[in-house]
Amino acid sequence: GAVVSQHPSWVICKSGTSVKIECRSLDFQATTMFWYRQFPKQSLMLMATSNEGSKATYEQGVEKDKFLINHASLTLSTLTVTSAHPEDSSFYICSVTPNIQYFGAGTRLSVL
Amino acid sequence: GENVEQHPSTLSVQEGDSAVIKCTYSDSASNYFPWYKQELGKRPQLIIDIRSNVGEKKDQRIAVTLNKTAKHFSLHITETQPEDSAVYFCAVSNSGYALNFGKGTSLLVTP
Repeated sequence: GAVVSQHPSWVICKSGTSVKIECRSLDFQATTMFWYRQFPKQSLMLMATSNEGSKATYEQGVEKDKFLINHASLTLSTLTVTSAHPEDSSFYICSVTPNIQYFGAGTRLSVL
Repeated sequence: GENVEQHPSTLSVQEGDSAVIKCTYSDSASNYFPWYKQELGKRPQLIIDIRSNVGEKKDQRIAVTLNKTAKHFSLHITETQPEDSAVYFCAVSNSGYALNFGKGTSLLVTP
């Protein structure tokens, strides 16, 4: 199966700052990666589909200018939460899908 | 879009009993149905999956059944153990596309 590395695993930041989360596919060239968000005691919700070399596709209700996605290579996608606010505090998790979905370890973001 | 309903939201069973969790979906084009186990603060772990050309799949104490006509699939855990306690999510997708998750079932297995 695919090995997915996600960093950082946990980040605390002040309101108004930006946070970058990296998702690396270590043994699979991923033209597509997915970004999910999970609020406490809730399910995983797809935020966006990251496409290598082109713009990401965002789900309804997800602000593309707030959640910047860059997928510049076949092994790396980044999600930047810009001007983070407390309501952005959540568990962010990426996945790649050579056949089934393989998830990164997730990033717990806490915005103070 | 796809709508995935999962029931029950919480389930408490005695150790050794069976647990069954059910999901329904709306998009008849969906063809991939995985089940994930998630422990607190960790990534979802795939425990079993089934594709639309199969009606049932079993892996030791875990089984999944799929009824494509009725658009529902179920997770069956037999001989439950305390370490089975976790949140379980069903999901639905068209192969290669993103997953649509159910809302989750919190399973508690009491000794």
